[in-house]
Amino acid sequence: GAVVSQHPSWVICKSGTSVKIECRSLDFQATTMFWYRQFPKQSLMLMATSNEGSKATYEQGVEKDKFLINHASLTLSTLTVTSAHPEDSSFYICSASGTSGRARETQYFGPGTRLLVL
Amino acid sequence: AQSVTQLDSHVSVSEGTPVLLRCNYSSSYSPSLFWYVQHPNKGLQLLLKYTSAATLVKGINGFEAEFKKSETSFHLTKPSAHMSDAAEYFCVVSKLKGADGLTFGKGTHLIIQP
Repeated sequence: GAVVSQHPSWVICKSGTSVKIECRSLDFQATTMFWYRQFPKQSLMLMATSNEGSKATYEQGVEKDKFLINHASLTLSTLTVTSAHPEDSSFYICSASGTSGRARETQYFGPGTRLLVL
Repeated sequence: AQSVTQLDSHVSVSEGTPVLLRCNYSSSYSPSLFWYVQHPNKGLQLLLKYTSAATLVKGINGFEAEFKKSETSFHLTKPSAHMSDAAEYFCVVSKLKGADGLTFGKGTHLIIQP
């Protein structure tokens, strides 16, 4: 139980294009989803928190117009990197927590999406 | 505000010997504390969590951690290292129980010598 998937697992795109990453909770209802970013050999940094049906809350320094987050259902959140540039290349990881079962009080992480912008 | 300090960026032990990964935290709240493991090219896996119940927390794969409020520490231990334990380990603090974004330590790279 408490499995989170991400799609795609990796993506290569041209500079200036937009990329959408999906995060799904497969066996529980994720009332809250989180998006993190991890640079090579570094720790994870929280980008934003999203609650189902509400606008995402972004951490300081994260551009909300560049990193669009949608959490339209209890099992799906999407992160869209708009007008991507090479400096956006990174490992993007989502996590989800719910209100019952194993997902209560704990975040479960997706496998991550590696983005390379050329 | 909350923060986590992992005292060692790398730890190297021989297979079969004990493992100790150190973590100190700072939090204005009663924190929830976690240890996650990240194997190469794999997602983060929860090892164990402390959420104000028992101070000695047992996790998966033989790992355990002890919450010591007086020392603001949450060190991770395992009695006998296995080659498969080689990975990156993150100590993590949360303000609320799962409902808030996590603050990660910088990570400790565990190396297991044969």
